[in-house]
Amino acid sequence: DIQMTQSPSSLSASVGDRVTITCRASQGIGNDLGWYQQKPGKAPKRLVAAASSLESGVPSRFSGSGSWREFTLTITSLQPEDFATYYCLQHNSYPPTFGGGTKVEIK
Amino acid sequence: EVQLVESGGGLVKPGGSLRLSCAASGFTFRDAHMAWVRQTPGKGLEWVGHIKSRPDGGTADYGSPVKGRFIISRDDSKDTLYLQMSSLKTDDTALYYCATSGLSTWGQGTLVTVSS
Repeated sequence: DIQMTQSPSSLSASVGDRVTITCRASQGIGNDLGWYQQKPGKAPKRLVAAASSLESGVPSRFSGSGSWREFTLTITSLQPEDFATYYCLQHNSYPPTFGGGTKVEIK
Repeated sequence: EVQLVESGGGLVKPGGSLRLSCAASGFTFRDAHMAWVRQTPGKGLEWVGHIKSRPDGGTADYGSPVKGRFIISRDDSKDTLYLQMSSLKTDDTALYYCATSGLSTWGQGTLVTVSS
């Protein structure tokens, strides 16, 4: 199985901060990567597909980049509603595998 | 609007069985590949398996932890996805989500607790 190493596992940030989350795949996955946001008690919501395609309705302060083995989710100006846990998911080969998550907390 | 509503979770003893359902609406279910994903505080998010649409063969594939114990099926006449779980273990305790193809949209989840 492809291992997805996500970092950091948690971070504290303030409203307005720029936040960067990284996922590293154990082998090349092209751009077959998605980013998800999960708030407490809710299902994960996909923010980014194909490494860099923003889902409809997702604010433009979110962006995804990268390919092959290294990927990044960036939030350019953190808003109060962005405090959540973020996950990456590779679907290049079966089984699809998730990163361990990054909890973004209020500083 | 795409909606997925899971049901059927509950408390079951180790070795027992349980069937989860996922009612779909807002899209052409019969043409969709569907998946189950589970989540635990300890192991995080884990893909359980998926089933292709009947036009694409209707076959199912499973993650190693559940292969041989879980069966995914679908009833396109009812727009419903199923997960039949048997020989349940305490490690199967999780919140189970159904999701559309590519894991683009998820239901709200149903909790399965395996405990004596």
